[in-house]
Amino acid sequence: QKEVEQNSGPLSVPEGAIASLNCTYSDRGSQSFFWYRQYSGKSPELIMFIYSNGDKEDGRFTAQLNKASQYVSLLIRDSQPSDSATYLCAVNLSGYSTLTFGKGTMLLVSP
Amino acid sequence: GAVVSQHPSWVICKSGTSVKIECRSLDFQATTMFWYRQFPKQSLMLMATSNEGSKATYEQGVEKDKFLINHASLTLSTLTVTSAHPEDSSFYICSAAGTGSPYSYNEQFFGPGTRLTVL
Repeated sequence: QKEVEQNSGPLSVPEGAIASLNCTYSDRGSQSFFWYRQYSGKSPELIMFIYSNGDKEDGRFTAQLNKASQYVSLLIRDSQPSDSATYLCAVNLSGYSTLTFGKGTMLLVSP
Repeated sequence: GAVVSQHPSWVICKSGTSVKIECRSLDFQATTMFWYRQFPKQSLMLMATSNEGSKATYEQGVEKDKFLINHASLTLSTLTVTSAHPEDSSFYICSAAGTGSPYSYNEQFFGPGTRLTVL
């Protein structure tokens, strides 16, 4: 059974700090990895995706992928109170269109 | 990213009635659309996957006769909740995925969601 695990949190960080969100997955056949942000009462919003080992940077966000260890992480630099949300990790198997979502990590950035 | 709209954004209905929710991809052709349900403080639950012009594939435990999905075009999918009951009250979210450039990695773009309340 495909599983995506995330710590539910909340992860609390002060404004300006780096927030580190982690995700592990069980299926070694996973090919693409996604990070979504979901504000309370809203639908998920795609932040970024990664498919190769290593780091991928987009503004204040950096996704890190380590397929050998089966984990993917999201770093948020210079965290802002507006970053407070639930962050969902999602994984896609090659050849399949569906995504398997983790249950999300709640991030709280305090001013 | 791509834009997906959903209509209505919220709906209140009486028990026993049917409700139709529309999902549209506005600026790209969505070969596949997905319907999710999310209860308060819980994770997304995939209900079904639909491909344009074919029958939807439902996840285990989702009643296909109760949740009717139609994906008649590359930009429109509809979910009809038939004979709705209070336990169907939830946040229904659609997403759309395209194929080929620039969407080559099965990225899903979500609509804003529809909050259904059944009295």
